[in-house]
Amino acid sequence: GAVVSQHPSWVICKSGTSVKIECRSLDFQATTMFWYRQFPKQSLMLMATSNEGSKATYEQGVEKDKFLINHASLTLSTLTVTSAHPEDSSFYICSAKPLSGIETQYFGPGTRLLVL
Amino acid sequence: RKEVEQDPGPFNVPEGATVAFNCTYSNSASQSFFWYRQDCRKEPKLLMSVYSSGNEDGRFTAQLNRASQYISLLIRDSKLSDSATYLCVVNPGGGADGLTFGKGTHLIIQP
Repeated sequence: GAVVSQHPSWVICKSGTSVKIECRSLDFQATTMFWYRQFPKQSLMLMATSNEGSKATYEQGVEKDKFLINHASLTLSTLTVTSAHPEDSSFYICSAKPLSGIETQYFGPGTRLLVL
Repeated sequence: RKEVEQDPGPFNVPEGATVAFNCTYSNSASQSFFWYRQDCRKEPKLLMSVYSSGNEDGRFTAQLNRASQYISLLIRDSKLSDSATYLCVVNPGGGADGLTFGKGTHLIIQP
């Protein structure tokens, strides 16, 4: 149990295009999902907290107009990287916190984004 | 000062050895603590939560010292499959807050 999927697993796009990444909790409901980003040899950095039915909360330094988050249901959150640039190339990972209230977050397999 | 600090390693140890990792965190109000494991180009996976009383899961033992803001992980009888990056992770708020990750300690178990 407690499986989180992400789609796509990798994407290569041209600079200026927008990329949408989906995060789904497959066998549990999650009111809260988190989006992280990891650059090579760096730690995962929290980008934003996504709450079902409300606006996402962004960490300092993360542009909310560039990284659009939609949490439309208890099992789906999407991150759209708008007008992607090469510096947005990174490993994007989501996690989901079950409704049950336990502390554990379950991570998706991540999406590798390469912007040319 | 970084929020969660770890020695990046790499730690090269022979199979069967005992290895210990340390981690310090800066936010004294942090609520919960974890060790995650991350394999190359994969997502992090929860290894174990860390409790004030210390806890053990098979060959793995975790300790927390809140006064010193220090967390440790001990791996006994290391296996080749233990080779990975070990991430010290702190939940600063205990509620819906996202996790704060250390950069990780890279462990290489040699045959």
